[in-house]
Amino acid sequence: KAGVTQTPRYLIKTRGQQVTLSCSPISGHRSVSWYQQTPGQGLQFLFEYFSETQRNKGNFPGRFSGRQFSNSRSEMNVSTLELGDSALYLCASSPTGGSYNEQFFGPGTRLTVL
Amino acid sequence: KQEVTQIPAALSVPEGENLVLNCSFTDSAIYNLQWFRQDPGKGLTSLLLIQSSQREQTSGRLNASLDKSSGRSTLYIAASQPGDSATYLCAAKDQETSGSRLTFGEGTQLTVNP
Repeated sequence: KAGVTQTPRYLIKTRGQQVTLSCSPISGHRSVSWYQQTPGQGLQFLFEYFSETQRNKGNFPGRFSGRQFSNSRSEMNVSTLELGDSALYLCASSPTGGSYNEQFFGPGTRLTVL
Repeated sequence: KQEVTQIPAALSVPEGENLVLNCSFTDSAIYNLQWFRQDPGKGLTSLLLIQSSQREQTSGRLNASLDKSSGRSTLYIAASQPGDSATYLCAAKDQETSGSRLTFGEGTQLTVNP
């Protein structure tokens, strides 16, 4: 069974631009969560989608948004990029997002904002 | 609000040594705790998941224990090898938050010297 895939793996953008990242969960998984990882803040939860609905949201500004499609693939969008948005963005999938589910992470997208 | 702490932040050991990584959490009301491994610049690999009703889980040379009452989990690595060098992260799934949201520790960076 294929794992969680994320595209692109690397991105370089300039301040003010916007970016869209994509995540394809493990086949059959319906929950997708997004995390931001930086050296200073560690891993921080962005949001979770389940059945095309945002179920949970972390403490990030409205510039960070996401969506989920009927095939469970998810996209994350960051508008008006800032230097501080440079990070490794990770997505995770689980079967139902239930409280006892194990979560599986993708390889991440490395975003650099210049 | 859940806080997860990992001690030590970094650890360097000679090959063959048995070692213990520590993880503590402030809110004992958790569904489970998951241990991950992260290689530099890569995504997270799930190592072990311990449900709140369990005391320990084992996979090969890895053994993870959970003591909810004291807010602690440990990851025991037996007969360490250079290939074990990576950052190890623990993450708690709180009962307070719905869905898949995990709270991560800062990680322990392990170096196993040949």
